[in-house]
Amino acid sequence: DAGVIQSPRHEVTEMGQEVTLRCKPISGHDYLFWYRQTMMRGLELLIYFNNNVPIDDSGMPEDRFSAKMPNASFSTLKIQPSEPRDSAVYFCASSFSGLLTEQFFGPGTRLTVL
Amino acid sequence: DAKTTQPPSMDCAEGRAANLPCNHSTISGNEYVYWYRQIHSQGPQYIIHGLKNNETNEMASLIITEDRKSSTLILPHATLRDTAVYYCLSRGTGNQFYFGTGTSLTVIP
Repeated sequence: DAGVIQSPRHEVTEMGQEVTLRCKPISGHDYLFWYRQTMMRGLELLIYFNNNVPIDDSGMPEDRFSAKMPNASFSTLKIQPSEPRDSAVYFCASSFSGLLTEQFFGPGTRLTVL
Repeated sequence: DAKTTQPPSMDCAEGRAANLPCNHSTISGNEYVYWYRQIHSQGPQYIIHGLKNNETNEMASLIITEDRKSSTLILPHATLRDTAVYYCLSRGTGNQFYFGTGTSLTVIP
């Protein structure tokens, strides 16, 4: 298996633009997680899905952020409109059971909002 | 859910044991303690987890105090490749958890 795949790896955009980050989890995994990492706040859980259904989105910072999982092999995290403070590395992870022990992380998307 | 506290940074000589502490004084009886590490520019990687008993695997050992308010991750023979940020975290029954900023371990040749 290729592992968790994220695209793009790097994204540079201007403030106010819409940004869409993509994730393909490991086949057979039924949990998918989106994280954001910054120097100031470390690694934060934004939202996670179980069987394509959002379970906990309490970490989503505000209404500008939205996440979808239309099927078991694809998820998106969208920011609209983007702001400079959204600049961070966004990680997607998947697991078979949802336990921390089995989370496999993707390589991340480095987002820069100018 | 329990929050965890870790020192921001540590150094360790290559070949020596690295002992990384974590304080989780508010942990409840059903919360596991997990350790992950993140090597620069990569996603975090699972290391080990435990509830009450000490645990050991091919990567590390985990020592949990009897009152479960703290734990120590032990890398028995640190190598340069163990230089990374190490996260101690706990998971509550609601499947919420908190990574924080971790401990930056530098293994010195």
